Amino acid sequence: KNEVEQSPQNLTAQEGEFITINCSYSVGISALHWLQQHPGGGIVSLFMLSSGKKKHGRLIATINIQEKHSSLHITASHPRDSAVYICAVLTGNQFYFGTGTSLTVIP
Amino acid sequence: NAGVTQTPKFQVLKTGQSMTLQCAQDMNHNSMYWYRQDPGMGLRLIYYSASEGTTDKGEVPNGYNVSRLNKREFSLRLESAAPSQTSVYFCASSELTDYPYQPQHFGDGTRLSIL
Repeated sequence: KNEVEQSPQNLTAQEGEFITINCSYSVGISALHWLQQHPGGGIVSLFMLSSGKKKHGRLIATINIQEKHSSLHITASHPRDSAVYICAVLTGNQFYFGTGTSLTVIP
Repeated sequence: NAGVTQTPKFQVLKTGQSMTLQCAQDMNHNSMYWYRQDPGMGLRLIYYSASEGTTDKGEVPNGYNVSRLNKREFSLRLESAAPSQTSVYFCASSELTDYPYQPQHFGDGTRLSIL
């Protein structure tokens, strides 16, 4: 049983498309974390948010605490955005992770 | 800034051998974590340390031990390696004592194969 569910598992998009990745969770949380992992690479933090919305460049993250749901949006997608995007929720001192969404952006 | 440094980056062991994975962070974070990442599964917590001097089990602690040597360093030890412990191991740190919480910073990972 995984407390964090991501959808879709895999996503292929054309360059320039608007992309949405979803994260739903079943536990009470104090924060939600979006991360990015390139193939064979390390894990990089994108956003940590507890409410509302955050924006950084072409990336936007939103969270709805009442619905236990978060979305990560990528505007004007680019091949360099190809990576696995991971959602994690913070409960107490522990983070619980989704299995990730693998994104491929085709030129 | 180095952030989180893990050593080694790669290691091959034989079943029954022991080894220690080292992790150090230079961000003065209180919380440190050890995860394993396996294909098709999310990152799973092995052990964590909420502050210097404390350690707690995570989701998959069996076969592992940890030491929070000081605020900077958090090591993971495999006492008798088993093939099921073949995985990629990540160390991470974060600061959760004050709001807004700081996101986790990850090391580059250790690719460990047990033959």
